Amino acid sequence: AQSVTQLGSHVSVSEGALVLLRCNYSSSVPPYLFWYVQYPNQGLQLLLKYTTGATLVKGINGFEAEFKKSETSFHLTKPSAHMSDAAEYFCAVCDLYNFNKFYFGSGTKLNVKP
Amino acid sequence: SQTIHQWPATLVQPVGSPLSLECTVEGTSNPNLYWYRQAAGRGLQLLFYSVGIGQISSEVPQNLSASRPQDRQFILSSKKLLLSDSGFYLCAWSVPGRNVAFFGQGTRLTVV
Repeated sequence: AQSVTQLGSHVSVSEGALVLLRCNYSSSVPPYLFWYVQYPNQGLQLLLKYTTGATLVKGINGFEAEFKKSETSFHLTKPSAHMSDAAEYFCAVCDLYNFNKFYFGSGTKLNVKP
Repeated sequence: SQTIHQWPATLVQPVGSPLSLECTVEGTSNPNLYWYRQAAGRGLQLLFYSVGIGQISSEVPQNLSASRPQDRQFILSSKKLLLSDSGFYLCAWSVPGRNVAFFGQGTRLTVV
């Protein structure tokens, strides 16, 4: 079985500060990991994904995430927060061997203060 | 290019009324299709998935049902809505064997 845990349902940072959103996963097979962003009343937009290869993955809008197998983590970071980054972020694991089902964390709402 | 359409965007329905949400995908064939629900203050929960016409798998017991009458059409239904059915419903599709999913814009359902 696969699952994802996101630590912190709400994170607040100042504009220009580092953004760190935490995600830990549990998977019985090599994981395929994702970060999605959701703006209010909208669908999910893919930020980045890790499948195989380089463990540091760069995504859109300056975000990146690092896959650490030893820590079973896939934390999302951005060096400098913008006001436009305020949204809800979801970490997910894809079970490629089980109909591509996605299992999401409970989400982290990012608030960016001016 | 592939696109996914989901409608309506918002819906307010009384308790006990029926429900039909529709999702269609363009630009791809034989996709895997999914319905997710996001309840207030909670994450996304997979409700149903389908790997082909007429094939539906349910992930959780509930008051809802799904159907796939055509290859790229996925419908979420209920005969009688409950208050607990309120939430944000998202349709998604993926290509079998490809590890990415694309989501619709969602339907905000409020049962009153």
